Amino acid sequence: GAVVSQHPSRVICKSGTSVKIECRSLDFQATTMFWYRQFPKQSLMLMATSNEGSKATYEQGVEKDKFLINHASLTLSTLTVTSAHPEDSSFYICSAPAQGGYEQYFGPGTRLTVT
Amino acid sequence: AQSVTQLDSQVPVFEEAPVELRCNYSSSVSVYLFWYVQYPNQGLQLLLKYLSGSTLVKGINGFEAEFNKSQTSFHLRKPSVHISDTAEYFCAVGGGNTPLVFGKGTRLSVIA
Repeated sequence: GAVVSQHPSRVICKSGTSVKIECRSLDFQATTMFWYRQFPKQSLMLMATSNEGSKATYEQGVEKDKFLINHASLTLSTLTVTSAHPEDSSFYICSAPAQGGYEQYFGPGTRLTVT
Repeated sequence: AQSVTQLDSQVPVFEEAPVELRCNYSSSVSVYLFWYVQYPNQGLQLLLKYLSGSTLVKGINGFEAEFNKSQTSFHLRKPSVHISDTAEYFCAVGGGNTPLVFGKGTRLSVIA
């Protein structure tokens, strides 16, 4: 099956700094990618839909100026957490839809810890 | 709008016993249903999916699920669990170019 990678797998940063998370589709093209956030012992919540060549669509309550999404190519979407705070500490997971199908392929996730 | 309800937040079960994890969904459009497993500090692994066709779906690791349209359910079953099945299980609806909507998850704890 198709593979989606994320980098880094874990990152620790200081409060006030910015962190970039990459999501790549390794063997297929993805015009759309989804970014989810998962707090400890909770489910995955959709943050935003990343669209290649256009602006991302954010879910209600997600600050677009804080969580910057760039989908610059058909295989790469990036999520930048700007001015990170401890409450942004979470597990961030991206996914990409299968071409012509209904399945989605998930990345392995990125554990962000803000100190 | 689509939604998923996982009726049990935690399910403890003895090793080699059968287990059923319950999932009910709500959808006003075509239904595509998924079960994922998440081990501690890891990403999601697809167990099985229902897109169309046979309502009994077989997945990996001996799991299966039955799509029941009249009861809007997609319960996950395994006839005999192992210690290694201890994990968090998520039911989800959606797919294609729309994001998945996840249930809150069920923590399966297999007791030796």
